[in-house]
Amino acid sequence: ETAVFQTPNYHVTQVGNEVSFNCKQTLGHDTMYWYKQDSKKLLKIMFSYNNKQLIVNETVPRRFSPQSSDKAHLNLRIKSVEPEDSAVYLCASSRDSANTEVFFGKGTRLTVV
Amino acid sequence: GEQVEQLPSSLIVQEGASVLINCSYTDSASVYFPWYKQEPGKRLQFIIDIRSNMERKQTQRLTLLFDKKTKHLSLHITATQPGDSAIYFCSASINTNAYKVIFGKGTHLHVLP
Repeated sequence: ETAVFQTPNYHVTQVGNEVSFNCKQTLGHDTMYWYKQDSKKLLKIMFSYNNKQLIVNETVPRRFSPQSSDKAHLNLRIKSVEPEDSAVYLCASSRDSANTEVFFGKGTRLTVV
Repeated sequence: GEQVEQLPSSLIVQEGASVLINCSYTDSASVYFPWYKQEPGKRLQFIIDIRSNMERKQTQRLTLLFDKKTKHLSLHITATQPGDSAIYFCSASINTNAYKVIFGKGTHLHVLP
């Protein structure tokens, strides 16, 4: 199956902990993204990578750091999580730039208690 | 920066009805407008797109209209079915930063059987 795969599906953690989310795409795409979807379903771009290079880095707190080992993988690490980090984190990919269809993963739901 | 507004925020219709979802954007440099659908518990799924050099695109029960002068789009869904119940997102990306797609707040569509 070719798609965007995210792990874990869910994660519950305490304030101040570090978490790491994994994303892999088997579509052969060059560009990958992380989006944050809040409880009201609002979607905001966080990071975009093209061929392992960071292209877009939105106004995201410094505790968030993306990590790309190759163009098929884009992980997201959050150091010292805070309650407002509770959300669904969506990984996505596209063939080249965002001016083509973007394929999304199922998301990782983070709950910070 | 680019802002995308979507109306209405929610719609409840009877099966078989047609619906219209409106979307407006602010940045005249936007060139690509994909729409996505998110069913409960499922991943965001691309449904239709249009580029700024087009006025209309149709696929099956979806018709997407684009007015560059007024910076307005409208998505028309005909013969709705309960399976169309989902959140529909309008989005826009600008040519100068093709790796950043800005999403509207979504329209929650409920189709009653």
